[in-house]
Amino acid sequence: RKEVEQDPGPFNVPEGATVAFNCTYSNSASQSFFWYRQDCRKEPKLLMSVYSSGNEDGRFTAQLNRASQYISLLIRDSKLSDSATYLCVVNPLDSSASKIIFGSGTRLSIRP
Amino acid sequence: EAQVTQNPRYLITVTGKKLTVTCSQNMNHEYMSWYRQDPGLGLRQIYYSMNVEVTDKGDVPEGYKVSRKEKRNFPLILESPSPNQTSLYFCASSWTEGTDTQYFGPGTRLTVL
Repeated sequence: RKEVEQDPGPFNVPEGATVAFNCTYSNSASQSFFWYRQDCRKEPKLLMSVYSSGNEDGRFTAQLNRASQYISLLIRDSKLSDSATYLCVVNPLDSSASKIIFGSGTRLSIRP
Repeated sequence: EAQVTQNPRYLITVTGKKLTVTCSQNMNHEYMSWYRQDPGLGLRQIYYSMNVEVTDKGDVPEGYKVSRKEKRNFPLILESPSPNQTSLYFCASSWTEGTDTQYFGPGTRLTVL
């Protein structure tokens, strides 16, 4: 089992729709979680951190479910500009390493 | 402007010819790392550094070397490149080892023939 798994998509949804994707992680001791956005052939950029209590930033909501070991990203009222690949990032904060693990990404395409 | 720079942005080389990809950040970050990104495999960490003179292997370190002689620079060295190292490479930096936002460089697309 991969340490961090994402549905690769692509998710193809109409503008204005609500879309959600999950990311599962295998290390129950993981402490830090993030969502990054990556546009085609560009560098990843932080979209939002994921806190235990969940957090919201405009149309974006991120949640953490420790019991089931997944994080989620919800995008409401999707825009054409939301088309990108969304990367889930987990930092196990293992005492023997400081390795940050990226999921392979979920592709989202918003159609007019 | 706060940024991470990488050079070169594009490189085509031949098997066995040593090369170095430079990475520099101007944010005084302690943590720096190198990733490679391949289709279907996502971003995989090659090496990371928690501070000057402190480096450690990530998930895919074979065939790569790094050094961290100064805080701002973290070059990636391929002593004898092979075709399986053809990839898109990203350098990143952050304040700490993973609890903070990582800032990525623009990427280096390497082709090894």
